[in-house]
Amino acid sequence: GIQVEQSPPDLILQEGANSTLRCNFSDSVNNLQWFHQNPWGQLINLFYIPSGTKQNGRLSATTVATERYSLLYISSSQTTDSGVYFCAVGTTDSWGKLQFGAGTQVVVTP
Amino acid sequence: DADVTQTPRNRITKTGKRIMLECSQTKGHDRMYWYRQDPGLGLRLIYYSFDVKDINKGEISDGYSVSRQAQAKFSLSLESAIPNQTALYFCATSDLMSRTGDWSTGELFFGEGSRLTVL
Repeated sequence: GIQVEQSPPDLILQEGANSTLRCNFSDSVNNLQWFHQNPWGQLINLFYIPSGTKQNGRLSATTVATERYSLLYISSSQTTDSGVYFCAVGTTDSWGKLQFGAGTQVVVTP
Repeated sequence: DADVTQTPRNRITKTGKRIMLECSQTKGHDRMYWYRQDPGLGLRLIYYSFDVKDINKGEISDGYSVSRQAQAKFSLSLESAIPNQTALYFCATSDLMSRTGDWSTGELFFGEGSRLTVL
């Protein structure tokens, strides 16, 4: 099956800093989603982005499907951005199932 | 109220006991999923259902069973719980999406999670 690698595994940021999280995948995808898991365990869908660029407030994401990667940008980070960020991908052969990466743990310090 | 509701939120049980985790949704989605999360790992798919009469095994279905009682309800059972099933369990729902004629799973929406401890 498709392999999903996220980097870095851990990230510590000072409040106000910018950062980039990366998701590499091993095959062509027709589905890519980014999620944030807050410190209380809640999982929130950030972006549905199989290709192109999207922005939502201080967060934006870009997927370059032909080069098999996606980037999640956090600008002017806040302590509420702390948590784990997951990307998940799907292919035409996966029948709608998504394969998750191991996540990037982000800690934003005041 | 949450669109995807899981019960119980926390459960401690003993080895060999039968446990059921329940999930209900008000989003009107046909697709429902059960995932398991272990510390340091991503989410792994246990079972999924694309409509009421459709049940499919995911990558880690051994030791689990499911029931899709209605479009809105999807339950996960551990027939005889064992300690290595201690984990955080998530139910999720999605719709279908079409991009340029290519159908795929839409945005995934998760419940709040059910933390299960098997002693």
